[in-house]
Order: sequence, then structure tokens, then C-alpha cells
Amino acid sequence: AQRVTQPEKLLSVFKGAPVELKCNYSYSGSPELFWYVQYSRQRLQLLLRHISRESIKGFTADLNKGETSFHLKKPFAQEEDSAMYYCALTRYGGSQGNLIFGKGTKLSVKP
Amino acid sequence: DSGVTQTPKHLITATGQRVTLRCSPRSGDLSVYWYQQSLDQGLQFLIQYYNGEERAKGNILERFSAQQFPDLHSELNLSSLELGDSALYFCASSVGDRTYNEQFFGPGTRLTVL
Repeated sequence: AQRVTQPEKLLSVFKGAPVELKCNYSYSGSPELFWYVQYSRQRLQLLLRHISRESIKGFTADLNKGETSFHLKKPFAQEEDSAMYYCALTRYGGSQGNLIFGKGTKLSVKP
Repeated sequence: DSGVTQTPKHLITATGQRVTLRCSPRSGDLSVYWYQQSLDQGLQFLIQYYNGEERAKGNILERFSAQQFPDLHSELNLSSLELGDSALYFCASSVGDRTYNEQFFGPGTRLTVL
């Protein structure tokens, strides 16, 4: 079955602490992975995708095919990082139509 | 606002009824996607249209249907509504339909079925 698992519903850290939001996937083909973010009272938006291999707002994510994981990391969390984070996947090189989302992790960064 | 727009924001209706949700994509975007977000199922892909044609289908119920019109706006029709259809329905759009085309999401329509 094709599935994205985000094991933590809620992750709470203090400002300046490292943060890692976990994402594991199950996919029969070659996947393309994404992280989406939804800040309070804002729309869901793309944060980053594995194929770009870039750092956005200090966040990075590396696709580990051996462990079927795509964890999102930031070395020093900021209060403005507090949001709902969703991991998603689709077939690499294909249509985006079948984006499969995890259930999300709510990140709370305390001052 | 040149972003994705969805109407109405909220919709309250009764079981057995039919509703239509509307989505206007960003200017220039040809692809429209519909998602359903519920507490137990999370965010689930329903259906995608590209330039008027159905491109991909997810776990969309037979009671649900959608279309994309020549002006590229899209409508999601939900019929014979059940309590379990209560959810937030999102629309997203992108320029193309490939994975490198970023999807831009609308604010959602919250449907409550009583």
C-alpha cells in the first residue's frame, strides 16, 4: 500500500533547539517527496521538495530510500516555525495528481 | 487576489442534499486539484483536471463528481450527502500537471452535514 506516516501528531520544542519532523513512506515505485506547511490562518503551501535539494527557511530534508524516510530538519527552531507540517509523495516524474499526504505534525516552538 | 479562490467559505446542509463547491484557479494555471480533509482520514486527493480534461482520480466517491469549465474554473458536486462527508474541501491549482509544477492551495470550503 502507498502510504505516508508522520508518527508525531504534536512536536513541541523551545526556541533555538533543533527540530526534526519525521516522515516515513511506503511506495512501490520511485517516489518524489514533498513537505507542505500551513501557518495559522494561512493556506497550505509547499515548503520544499526532495528533488530540489535546497534549504528553505533553514529547513532541509534528505530522502533516505534505504530507510524510506524523508525527515524535515532545522538546527535552530524559531517561534515563527510554529505551524502544521505535512509530508507528501507522488510518483517521481509523473503527474502530481496522486499526491498522498501524511496526517501532519503540529510543530509548536516555545519562547 | 490573484490566488486560488473557493466559494463558499462555509456550507451547512442536511443529509441527502446536494451541494456544489466552486474553485477559481490562479491566473494562468491550467491544472486544478480537489482534496478532502477530515479528522480521521487526513488530507486525501479526490480528482484532478487539466485544461478541461480529467487527468487523475483518487478515492472519490461515486456520489461526488467534478468538472472544469472552459474558463478553467472548477466545480465539485457532492450529492446524497452523508454525515461522514463533513470535511474541509480544498482546491489547488498549478501551471502544468507535472511534479515540478508547484500546487497552490485555496482557503478551503468547510462543509457541515447535519
